[in-house]
Amino acid sequence: AQSVTQLGSHVSVSEGALVLLRCNYSSSVPPYLFWYVQYPNQGLQLLLKYTTGATLVKGINGFEAEFKKSETSFHLTKPSAHMSDAAEYFCAVSGPGPAGGTSYGKLTFGQGTILTVHP
Amino acid sequence: NAGVMQNPRHLVRRRGQEARLRCSPMKGHSHVYWYRQLPEEGLKFMVYLQKENIIDESGMPKERFSAEFPKEGPSILRIQQVVRGDSAAYFCASSMDRMNTEAFFGQGTRLTVV
Repeated sequence: AQSVTQLGSHVSVSEGALVLLRCNYSSSVPPYLFWYVQYPNQGLQLLLKYTTGATLVKGINGFEAEFKKSETSFHLTKPSAHMSDAAEYFCAVSGPGPAGGTSYGKLTFGQGTILTVHP
Repeated sequence: NAGVMQNPRHLVRRRGQEARLRCSPMKGHSHVYWYRQLPEEGLKFMVYLQKENIIDESGMPKERFSAEFPKEGPSILRIQQVVRGDSAAYFCASSMDRMNTEAFFGQGTRLTVV
């Protein structure tokens, strides 16, 4: 079974400070991992994803995340926060497909982390 | 290329009425996924459909909820005899095929049951 734990439902940083949003997962199949961002009353936008290959993945808006299999983690970082980064962030892991393997659209999401950026 | 289109964006229903939520996938996408986001919670998978087929409905409540994705037209999520606990945001996502690694999400339908 798949599960995702996001540590910290609320994270607050100052503009220009490092952003670190934590995500740990468990998966019964080789995981594909995703970070999505949701602005108020909007849908989800994909920030970045890990499928195979390089474990440090770069996404949009200066975000990146590192897949660490030994720690079952996929933490999201950004070196310098901007006011426009204020939003809710969801970590997700892909689930098993109906015929085995991995289903990339059937995702298990974490509870979300609301990021607040102070001037 | 238009994204995933969901309508209506907001829907208000009285208890006992039916709610019909529509999702038009991105052009060329034949896989559709429905998710529900309850207040203060993350998204929960409900159902996965391909054209004319339900592939995985392991997240669907056993009663009152149904989904379809006909050969022509949008995917429909139907909730019969709505109750206050059905109030949530319902998101649809589509992908090109099962091997595609990204599912694109619509902006959601926010259902309020009064």
